[in-house]
Amino acid sequence: SQQGEEDPQALSIQEGENATMNCSYKTSINNLQWYRQNSGRGLVHLILIRSNEREKHSGRLRVTLDTSKKSSSLLITASRAADTASYFCATSSGGGATNKLIFGTGTLLAVQP
Amino acid sequence: NAGVTQTPKFRVLKTGQSMTLLCAQDMNHEYMYWYRQDPGMGLRLIHYSVGEGTTAKGEVPDGYNVSRLKKQNFLLGLESAAPSQTSVYFCASTKKVGSGNQPQHFGDGTRLSIL
Repeated sequence: SQQGEEDPQALSIQEGENATMNCSYKTSINNLQWYRQNSGRGLVHLILIRSNEREKHSGRLRVTLDTSKKSSSLLITASRAADTASYFCATSSGGGATNKLIFGTGTLLAVQP
Repeated sequence: NAGVTQTPKFRVLKTGQSMTLLCAQDMNHEYMYWYRQDPGMGLRLIHYSVGEGTTAKGEVPDGYNVSRLKKQNFLLGLESAAPSQTSVYFCASTKKVGSGNQPQHFGDGTRLSIL
């Protein structure tokens, strides 16, 4: 069963605009991670936020985590055509014994030049 | 440093045939995983391994077997392929850390079609 549900399923914006994607999950977590997948390629790790963190930044990426609402958001600022990809959230639970992740269904982002 | 390498990249099988997908990583990671990705469903964990010689079932293990004879390799086998196993298969690896706060590193996938 999927742990994460992502919203929206698809998003189309113009270059230079900001893109926001949301992720909701069901159980308590150790951390939440965001990945990007370009068409026909594997997933690439973007950012990891721990359960005791509320916000994290990496370049043009900003991730927030609200454990009380079991939700996270990924903000991409000043988007570029190269940001066109699918974005997935993934949650890790149960400590480091297995490092298993449960993935959401993803958001397909299209950035129009 | 190639990271995670999957072979083959594409394969077409007939129902009932068998095959093995190979995953190799050169990062000395302890943990390795096999996922399948189907349209609209994200990635689902098939099997995983926390070390050489050990394997465990994930969310959707039926119809698949795995082996981890060497730390750097994780093999996924389909004994009798079925059309429902048409999918894109991804391998991933990660470093063993007590806190579990480590990203996974992915290969580029194997696109498998079962006719």
